[in-house]
Amino acid sequence: AQSVTQPDIHITVSEGASLELRCNYSYGATPYLFWYVQSPGQGLQLLLKYFSGDTLVQGIKGFEAEFKRSQSSFNLRKPSVHWSDAAEYFCAVGGYSGGGADGLTFGKGTHLIIQP
Amino acid sequence: DVKVTQSSRYLVKRTGEKVFLECVQDMDHENMFWYRQDPGLGLRLIYFSYDVKMKEKGDIPEGYSVSREKKERFSLILESASTNQTSMYLCASSSTSTGAYEQYFGPGTRLTVT
Repeated sequence: AQSVTQPDIHITVSEGASLELRCNYSYGATPYLFWYVQSPGQGLQLLLKYFSGDTLVQGIKGFEAEFKRSQSSFNLRKPSVHWSDAAEYFCAVGGYSGGGADGLTFGKGTHLIIQP
Repeated sequence: DVKVTQSSRYLVKRTGEKVFLECVQDMDHENMFWYRQDPGLGLRLIYFSYDVKMKEKGDIPEGYSVSREKKERFSLILESASTNQTSMYLCASSSTSTGAYEQYFGPGTRLTVT
């Protein structure tokens, strides 16, 4: 069965500092990998995705993530965080079965706190 | 832009009531999904659907059913609501025909069962 681990429940970062959120996955085939962000009281917004090709993917809001197959990781990074980045971040893995796209398996999330 | 709407942002129901949560998407997506989100547990897949009248169980289908009579609409049904179904419910949709499987989410319905 597929699974996603986000080892950090909470992370606190100073505004302007760099950020890395960790994600490890388990999946039997080539995974589709996603990072979503959820602001308080809101639904989930897609930050970026990886299907194939270049292992470094760029997303919205200045985020990027790197797929490392040997480490089964898909860590999210941002060089300089802004107070508006405070939110819950979810890593997810999914795939495709014969009938269509499967539901995603999500990690439990990392709560990002930005210190002024 | 893809838009996924959910019929209610907040809902309060009593134990034993039948509850309907409605989701509509406007991008002609083939796939639709229902998740529940609980603190410390992340999102868990309840049911999904590849096509009209098709449904597949997710990881936690017990106590729920779904209906998809039209391509744009996917309903989640709690036949007899219980307090342990108090949660945030998120609907999502995705396209298979474009070859991209990212899911687009609605704003969520926070359901409280008393």
